[in-house]
Amino acid sequence: EAGVTQFPSHSVIEKGQTVTLRCDPISGHDNLYWYRRVMGKEIKFLLHFVKESKQDESGMPNNRFLAERTGGTYSTLKVQPAELEDSGVYFCASSLIEGRSDAEAFFGQGTRLTVV
Amino acid sequence: DAKTTQPNSMESNEEEPVHLPCNHSTISGTDYIHWYRQLPSQGPEYVIHGLTSNVNNRMASLAIAEDRKSSTLILHRATLRDAAVYYCILRGTNAGKSTFGDGTTLTVKP
Repeated sequence: EAGVTQFPSHSVIEKGQTVTLRCDPISGHDNLYWYRRVMGKEIKFLLHFVKESKQDESGMPNNRFLAERTGGTYSTLKVQPAELEDSGVYFCASSLIEGRSDAEAFFGQGTRLTVV
Repeated sequence: DAKTTQPNSMESNEEEPVHLPCNHSTISGTDYIHWYRQLPSQGPEYVIHGLTSNVNNRMASLAIAEDRKSSTLILHRATLRDAAVYYCILRGTNAGKSTFGDGTTLTVKP
């Protein structure tokens, strides 16, 4: 069974440009999460989808970030326009069971975003 | 979110047991204790979780204090592949929003 996959693995863009990150969760997992680690800091929650609906987007830093999950399958995270402080590693995770605090989350390998 | 406290780093010799501590004094009654690890250039990987009782799986054991304010991840025989950052996380009703913290960087020496 395929795990959580993220594309691209690395992205280098100039300040002011737009970048779109993609996450394909494990098939059948309704819950999809985005996290990020910016330089030197801890991994922080960005948002949570249940199927195609945003369950919690309280961690989104500002309105330059837009996440979508069309059809409740894959998700995209767009940063427009990108700023230098957006550089970091963006992780996606999925889990099968909604709201269960004993549910295991499966993480992708992350997308390393560098804004220059 | 309830916070966890872990040592920044620990060292172990290969083939020896490793005990990774975690303090979570503000844990609530419904929080599960999860451990994840992150190998270099990879995403976090699930290791084990528990609520009150000690737990064992093929990767590790989890010992939970009776008052649940601390726990210990036990790797019975550390291998070089176990070198990673280990995160102790409390997962409550909004499980995905858990705070990762800084984790413990485990170095395994041959």
